Amino acid sequence: QQQVKQSPQSLIVQKGGISIINCAYENTAFDYFPWYQQFPGKGPALLIAIRPDVSEKKEGRFTISFNKSAKQFSLHIMDSQPGDSATYFCAAPTNFGNEKLTFGTGTRLTIIP
Amino acid sequence: DTAVSQTPKYLVTQMGNDKSIKCEQNLGHDTMYWYKQDSKKFLKIMFSYNNKELIINETVPNRFSPKSPDKAHLNLHINSLELGDSAVYFCASTIGAGGQDTQYFGPGTRLTVL
Repeated sequence: QQQVKQSPQSLIVQKGGISIINCAYENTAFDYFPWYQQFPGKGPALLIAIRPDVSEKKEGRFTISFNKSAKQFSLHIMDSQPGDSATYFCAAPTNFGNEKLTFGTGTRLTIIP
Repeated sequence: DTAVSQTPKYLVTQMGNDKSIKCEQNLGHDTMYWYKQDSKKFLKIMFSYNNKELIINETVPNRFSPKSPDKAHLNLHINSLELGDSAVYFCASTIGAGGQDTQYFGPGTRLTVL
């Protein structure tokens, strides 16, 4: 079954630092790679997504970088803030035919003062 | 106004019981989903419905039976609950049936089976 491998499992970053989370996929139904953010006790919510006719997408402090040949994409959080502390999931559309999102295993990010 | 709502938020029950979780979305979306998130935070799709028609069934035990009375509602009924069913169940919706649409998640239902 299609997997989306995400690393690291957990990450501690000092306030103001750069947080980097990586994902690798096997095959996709089409090129669309979102990142979802989940706070404790809440459902995941879309943070940022890339449709790779470009190799990078930036929204404020959040950037997705995409390497199609390596089948990898990553999330960079610049100037990380305590409010960014959450679990982050990458995802890729899989299951050709009845497309669905397959989520990565999640990264628990903690930003310390 | 809540986009995707679920009831109940918490559900504590004994092994062997039958329980239901309800989901409603007011976004006018065509597709709804059930996801299971286990204690390790793995988020796994269980079912999806497009306009009341089942389109994804991810080899979930047949003790789990989704029902979509209309495209705004997707309920999940679980028979003969087992300890391993303890998890957080999320409902979600998308505007279309494809994997490239934004998923709007509900707040989750934490199911604890004793």
